[in-house]
This record gives sequence, structure tokens and C-alpha cells, in this order.
Amino acid sequence: AQKVTQAQTEISVVEKEDVTLDCVYETRDTTYYLFWYKQPPSGELVFLIRRNSFDEQNEISGRYSWNFQKSTSSFNFTITASQVVDSAVYFCALSKLSGTYKYIFGTGTRLKVLA
Amino acid sequence: DGGITQSPKYLFRKEGQNVTLSCEQNLNHDAMYWYRQDPGQGLRLIYYSQIVNDFQKGDIAEGYSVSREKKESFPLTVTSAQKNPTAFYLCASSERTGTPNSPLHFGNGTRLTVT
Repeated sequence: AQKVTQAQTEISVVEKEDVTLDCVYETRDTTYYLFWYKQPPSGELVFLIRRNSFDEQNEISGRYSWNFQKSTSSFNFTITASQVVDSAVYFCALSKLSGTYKYIFGTGTRLKVLA
Repeated sequence: DGGITQSPKYLFRKEGQNVTLSCEQNLNHDAMYWYRQDPGQGLRLIYYSQIVNDFQKGDIAEGYSVSREKKESFPLTVTSAQKNPTAFYLCASSERTGTPNSPLHFGNGTRLTVT
């Protein structure tokens, strides 16, 4: 069975604090892809990052960084020095190579950054 | 600018009426998707289409219907058979299915309220 778990329903931080959003996944496939999307209040999900199962290198993009650990089936997302504009719902998702192609989304984490 | 346009942004209907949600893309993407978003449940796949004149049921297709007569358009009809139609509906596209590393591009969504 494929599953993505985002245990944090909602997180509130004060501006400039660092925050980590957790994502734990389950899959029996050896080849798969992990994604993070951001959903601001406007409603549109925006693609942030993609990582394949063979690439465990961490990635940094400005204030955003991602930590992929196959040993713990986790793909966590850290925002450094958070800003009010980071307030959104963040979704982690899994897609797989075998079988019917579809994404499996987590339930999302709502991040509130307070000024 | 290329993107996905969903209309209308808000839609109100009486129970028992069918309603059609519009989704148009100018990204020249082959694959299109409809998702339903409910609070605390993440995104659930309703239907997807890999090519014109072909579409497949997703996880929660009951009470919904779609068509794909043109590459650019993938309208979703919420029928009176859908027992709980009030939700936020998101349309998405990707370059093609069968390539699970393709990120999804989303529209701004339609919020449907049925009373």
C-alpha cells in the first residue's frame, strides 16, 4: 500500500523562526518520486521540489531545504527564517513508476507565520 | 502566460441539480486531472485523462462525470448522484501520465457549495 503521512495538522511560528514540516511515506516500490507543493490562500497548489528514490542528497533553495532519508522513509521540509508570505498549506506527495500512475497526497500541514 | 484556468471561482447550486466545472489549459499538456479537497483529507483523485477522448476513474469517481473532447479542456460535471458535493475542486495537468516524475500544474480551484 502507498501512503503519505503528514502528522502535523497545523504549525504556528513567529516570523524569522525556523520550521520543519514532516513527511513520512510508505511504498513497496523501489523507484518512486516525492514532491512538495505549497497551497497559498489563493488555492492554487504550487510545485516546490521533486526528488527521486535514488537521490538522497539534500537540497537547498534559498530559505527552503529538504532532507530525504530512505532509512526512515521521510522527506522533511525546512523553512529557515520564516516569513509571513510562507503562510500556506504544504502538501507532500508520492508518485510511483509501477502500475497505474497517480499521486498519493498527504493531508497537508497548515503553516501560520505570525508577524 | 501558460497555465490552467478554472471557472467559476465560487459556485452555488441547489441540491438535485447537476453542475459543470470548467478547466482549460494552454500548457499543451497531455494529461489532466480532477481532485477534490476537503478539510483534513488532502487531495483525492476523481478522474484523470491521458489523452483526448480517453479518461479513467480515480479513487472517488461516483457521482461525477467528465469529458475530454479537446486537449485543452477537461470539464467536470457534479451530478445529483454525488451525495456530498460541497467541496473545493482542483484541476491539474502534467506533460503526460506514465511519467511519474512530471510535476502537476494546478488551477486556482472552484469552491462548490450545494444547499
